[in-house]
Amino acid sequence: EAGVAQSPRYKIIEKRQSVAFWCNPISGHATLYWYQQILGQGPKLLIQFQNNGVVDDSQLPKDRFSAERLKGVDSTLKIQPAKLEDSAVYLCASSSQIGTDGYTFGSGTRLTVV
Amino acid sequence: GDSVTQMEGPVTLSEEAFLTINCTYTATGYPSLFWYVQYPGEGLQLLLKATKADDKGSNKGFEATYRKETTSFHLEKGSVQVSDSAVYFCALSDKGQGAQKLVFGQGTRLTINP
Repeated sequence: EAGVAQSPRYKIIEKRQSVAFWCNPISGHATLYWYQQILGQGPKLLIQFQNNGVVDDSQLPKDRFSAERLKGVDSTLKIQPAKLEDSAVYLCASSSQIGTDGYTFGSGTRLTVV
Repeated sequence: GDSVTQMEGPVTLSEEAFLTINCTYTATGYPSLFWYVQYPGEGLQLLLKATKADDKGSNKGFEATYRKETTSFHLEKGSVQVSDSAVYFCALSDKGQGAQKLVFGQGTRLTINP
């Protein structure tokens, strides 16, 4: 089966600009996750969707980050305006149920804010 | 809250050496425990998992045993290969939390020299 697709692979922006990342999960996977991985740290959950509803967004900086999953399939994560500390790899993952047994991660988008 | 602490890296070994990467955790409930691996340029892949105390997860020659009494899940391999060079992440998922998110350690970079 095809994996989790993410784009772009790399993005460089200036601070205060906006940026958007796209994720297409594995077909049929109801649960979609966005994680932020800062260099030298483990991934941290930003937001979890079940179909097109938000399950957990407690660690999403809502003043600048937003995410949507229209129609319960692909998802976009947006940052506006970006700060230097947002430089990280943004990972998307999907699973077929609420649980971690079926987690599949995408290759990520590496964001550099200058 | 829940947390995972991993052995500080980087770790450099010679081929065929014995590997141990330490991992300890703090959780309020009864978590499932995981090891993920991230090869250069690729996404996170599940290496092995254990869902209850005294379970042993194993895959590709790697093993880890869920030790509730010491809250540990150390990763071991008897004879490492150059192809094992990667970043290894210990993680937990607390069944008591509805979102079932993964909480990761900071990662340990492993380099195997021929």
